[in-house]
Amino acid sequence: QKEVEQNSGPLSVPEGAIASLNCTYSDRGSQSFFWYRQYSGKSPELIMSIYSNGDKEDGRFTAQLNKASQYVSLLIRDSQPSDSATYLCAVRPGGTSYGKLTFGQGTILTVHP
Amino acid sequence: DVKVTQSSRYLVKRTGEKVFLECVQDMDHENMFWYRQDPGLGLRLIYFSYDVKMKEKGDIPEGYSVSREKKERFSLILESASTNQTSMYLCASSPLWQGVNTIYFGEGSWLTVV
Repeated sequence: QKEVEQNSGPLSVPEGAIASLNCTYSDRGSQSFFWYRQYSGKSPELIMSIYSNGDKEDGRFTAQLNKASQYVSLLIRDSQPSDSATYLCAVRPGGTSYGKLTFGQGTILTVHP
Repeated sequence: DVKVTQSSRYLVKRTGEKVFLECVQDMDHENMFWYRQDPGLGLRLIYFSYDVKMKEKGDIPEGYSVSREKKERFSLILESASTNQTSMYLCASSPLWQGVNTIYFGEGSWLTVV
């Protein structure tokens, strides 16, 4: 089992719809969870971080965390073509990790007009 | 503004060559990382360093080594490049305090080994 696993893509949604991206992780001691967006040919950029169970909203983005189920998700409301990118789930392991992150394989999202 | 600079953006090397990928950060961060990214595999950690001259293996260290002689500079070395090392390489840095919620990535180095 991969340490961080994302729902297989690619995911295609129409403009204005809700895009749902999912991620599971295996390390129960993990404390910090992140979603990165990566446009083709560019480096990843952080869009959301979440540390506590529940929802965290930032504009059109909502991150959801369920530590009991070892599950984290990202919802993108009112999806726009500019949201088309690869979305990477990242987890900071528990214990002394020196800040390193473990990434999922990424989900390619396409928002079509 | 924070900056992680990878000096070589696009490289083409021959099998068996020694390859150096350089990374410099200007944020006085203690931690530095080298990841490689391949389609369908996400980012995989090769090596990281939490201090000058200190290094730790990541998940896929085989075929690579690193050097950190100065705090701001972290180099990835491919002793004898092979075609399966064709990939995009990302350098990153972060402060020592793990409460900070992000790491900073460079723009990436695209390496092709022929």
